[in-house]
Amino acid sequence: GEDVEQSLFLSVREGDSSVINCTYTDSSSTYLYWYKQEPGAGLQLLTYIFSNMDMKQDQRLTVLLNKKDKHLSLRIADTQTGDSAIYFCAEKLGAGSYQLTFGKGTKLSVIP
Amino acid sequence: ETGVTQTPRHLVMGMTNKKSLKCEQHLGHNAMYWYKQSAKKPLELMFVYSLEERVENNSVPSRFSPECPNSSHLFLHLHTLQPEDSALYLCASSQEFGLAGGHEQYFGPGTRLTVT
Repeated sequence: GEDVEQSLFLSVREGDSSVINCTYTDSSSTYLYWYKQEPGAGLQLLTYIFSNMDMKQDQRLTVLLNKKDKHLSLRIADTQTGDSAIYFCAEKLGAGSYQLTFGKGTKLSVIP
Repeated sequence: ETGVTQTPRHLVMGMTNKKSLKCEQHLGHNAMYWYKQSAKKPLELMFVYSLEERVENNSVPSRFSPECPNSSHLFLHLHTLQPEDSALYLCASSQEFGLAGGHEQYFGPGTRLTVT
């Protein structure tokens, strides 16, 4: 089946690292994505990783993929108050599929 | 304009009204999507258009009617909605053919719909 799970809340102190975790169930996923949603706004694509990769780094963001455990994580280094938002994990299935399956989102609160 | 734009940003309508949501993408993409975002539920894919043809329709009630006149524009026509249809409606676009890459979807800011 298709199911993406995330914890609902995470609080961190400004300057610390945040790690947001996600598990998915479909082993045929080809791409996995992280999106950010600020209040009153749409979803902003942060980064994505192809399923044959283990890690991807982009400035303060590091994505780790453990395909065996179907576990994806997003690490935000030096978390800032502007990083406060809801973060969504999403998976895309194989060839011919347009659908992204999203988790319910993790609300990240950054404490000054 | 850049990216994906949506109008209106907010809409309040009665159950007997007819209204339309508009989406425009300025990214040269060939696929467009409508999603519904309700509180405490994952994003729900409603419709997908690829090369202006509808390719997915995920059991959406007929009171929602999509239209894709060209690859840059997507509409969602609304009629006789119910209060439970109140939600944030998000449009997205992606490049699905001809290029390597992550087929990532880019979203508009959404239309906040309230049905009274």
